[in-house]
Amino acid sequence: GAVVSQHPSRVICKSGTSVKIECRSLDFQATTMFWYRQFPKQSLMLMATSNEGSKATYEQGVEKDKFLINHASLTLSTLTVTSAHPEDSSFYICSAEVQGRETQYFGPGTRLLVL
Amino acid sequence: GENVEQHPSTLSVQEGDSAVIKCTYSDSASNYFPWYKQELGKRPQLIIDIRSNVGEKKDQRIAVTLNKTAKHFSLHITETQPEDSAVYFCAAGKRSGGYQKVTFGTGTKLQVIP
Repeated sequence: GAVVSQHPSRVICKSGTSVKIECRSLDFQATTMFWYRQFPKQSLMLMATSNEGSKATYEQGVEKDKFLINHASLTLSTLTVTSAHPEDSSFYICSAEVQGRETQYFGPGTRLLVL
Repeated sequence: GENVEQHPSTLSVQEGDSAVIKCTYSDSASNYFPWYKQELGKRPQLIIDIRSNVGEKKDQRIAVTLNKTAKHFSLHITETQPEDSAVYFCAAGKRSGGYQKVTFGTGTKLQVIP
């Protein structure tokens, strides 16, 4: 149980375009999902916390107008990178919290390359 | 906010030896300490976690210890095997606003030499 999927696994886009990444909890309901960014050989940095039915909570330094998060259902959260630039190239990973438990389960990640 | 430091950044051990990774945290309110293993290009996988009301927890070859007073916790892997090679992250978390927010350490790249 507690499987999280992410789509796409890999995306290449041109500078200035927008990219949408989906995060789904497959076998449980997730009232809270988290979005992380991981640069090569670095740790996971929390970008924002996504709560179903309410606005996301962004970490300091993360632009909410650039990284749009929508958590419309208990099994789906989306992250849209708007007007992507090469410096946005990174590994984006979502995680979901199993309700009533403390453990976060991670999706497989999305590797974004902006040319 | 929480600050988690992790040492060493890289660790090489001979197969069969033990490996120890240490972390410290700053927020005394943190009460949940998971450890994740991440292989190259893959998702982090939870390998063990410990809560602040417990000082030690063991699962086969993996053990974690927690010293709340000193605000540090450690991961111990015994009888290491080549498949243990990966990057390991510690994390410290506390429940806030209805969810568990965790802060990750900087990671330790473990290499087990056959």
